Amino acid sequence: GENVEQHPSTLSVQEGDSAVIKCTYSDSASNYFPWYKQELGKRPQLIIDIRSNVGEKKDQRIAVTLNKTAKHFSLHITETQPEDSAVYFCAASGAGGSEKLVFGKGTKLTVNP
Amino acid sequence: NAGVTQTPKFQVLKTGQSMTLQCAQDMNHEYMSWYRQDPGMGLRLIHYSVGAGITDQGEVPNGYNVSRSTTEDFPLRLLSAAPSQTSVYFCASTSSGVWNEQFFGPGTRLTVL
Repeated sequence: GENVEQHPSTLSVQEGDSAVIKCTYSDSASNYFPWYKQELGKRPQLIIDIRSNVGEKKDQRIAVTLNKTAKHFSLHITETQPEDSAVYFCAASGAGGSEKLVFGKGTKLTVNP
Repeated sequence: NAGVTQTPKFQVLKTGQSMTLQCAQDMNHEYMSWYRQDPGMGLRLIHYSVGAGITDQGEVPNGYNVSRSTTEDFPLRLLSAAPSQTSVYFCASTSSGVWNEQFFGPGTRLTVL
């Protein structure tokens, strides 16, 4: 089955710097790659996703890139702000659909003022 | 729309007790899933359903049962609780299709003594 590796597990940046989180996946059949943000004590919420037929997607300060050949995808956050502090999870759909995502173990991002 | 709702928010059980975690959605989503979240482990899929009357196992199904008698409800049953089942449980739903967002419920924090 699908396996998703996520790095780093913790990331600390200064406000205004950029943050990059990387994930690799094992199942070449995966075709949907969402990123979720989870604040302390809250539910995961989708912040951006990318489909396998797209190499890059951007939404304001957040961007995701996908390299299908290398089977890795990355989340880029520019001009970080303290409210970006949270745990971020990447996921891959595997051979199924979005109903059974396989998640990475998460990255705790801390943005220092 | 209430979205995805879960009850209870918190629960403490003794080893060997049984209970049902409730999940409901009012978005007419075909797909529903249960995940557990443990520190440093990300979210792991327990069971999922692609429609009423259809369920299947995820990554960590042992010790849990599910049923899907209606589109709206997807309860998770713990038959004989064990300390290893202490976790935060999230229910999620999504519309059919490969590339659709999963919406998460607020979670149930379960402690098994």
